[in-house]
Amino acid sequence: KQEVTQIPAALSVPEGENLVLNCSFTDSAIYNLQWFRQDPGKGLTSLLLIQSSQREQTSGRLNASLDKSSGRSTLYIAASQPGDSATYLCAVLDNYGQNFVFGPGTRLSVLP
Amino acid sequence: DGGITQSPKYLFRKEGQNVTLSCEQNLNHDAMYWYRQDPGQGLRLIYYSQIVNDFQKGDIAEGYSVSREKKESFPLTVTSAQKNPTAFYLCASNWGAKPQHFGDGTRLSIL
Repeated sequence: KQEVTQIPAALSVPEGENLVLNCSFTDSAIYNLQWFRQDPGKGLTSLLLIQSSQREQTSGRLNASLDKSSGRSTLYIAASQPGDSATYLCAVLDNYGQNFVFGPGTRLSVLP
Repeated sequence: DGGITQSPKYLFRKEGQNVTLSCEQNLNHDAMYWYRQDPGQGLRLIYYSQIVNDFQKGDIAEGYSVSREKKESFPLTVTSAQKNPTAFYLCASNWGAKPQHFGDGTRLSIL
């Protein structure tokens, strides 16, 4: 059964720092991987989606990479801002394209 | 604007009572999902539906029921058989393997 973990569970950084969030999954037979942002008491907002055949995706200050063979993805945030403070979750979609499995998330605080 | 609407935002359940959470989407998505989120944990899948009048159990379906009579609507009923229903419930939809869109959630508590 697919399991997704995220390290660290929480992270606090000063404004302006570059940072990396990690996501690991146990079964490499995935269709795609998504990174989401969740603000307190809200739903999830999709940030980046990487297909299994891709190595990375970029959107603004965000860059996500995927190493399917090792079961790892990283989310790189450049020049962090207080508005980036949120919980970041990764999720993998199985090869049947039906079942998303989510990690527990990394809670990020960017201090002004 | 297209999106997913969940209601109510907060819900309280009495002992032995069934409650229904609403989820409506105007994105014309075929697939809809219900997740449960507990503090410090990831989302866990309760039920999902790929087409109207069809749905499948997820990892934690016991004590829950759903219906999919219309493409736009996927209500979730939390029955009295669910002994620990206090959680944040999220509804999502998507098309194919495209990114999921989420509603703003319903927080269910026990009176």
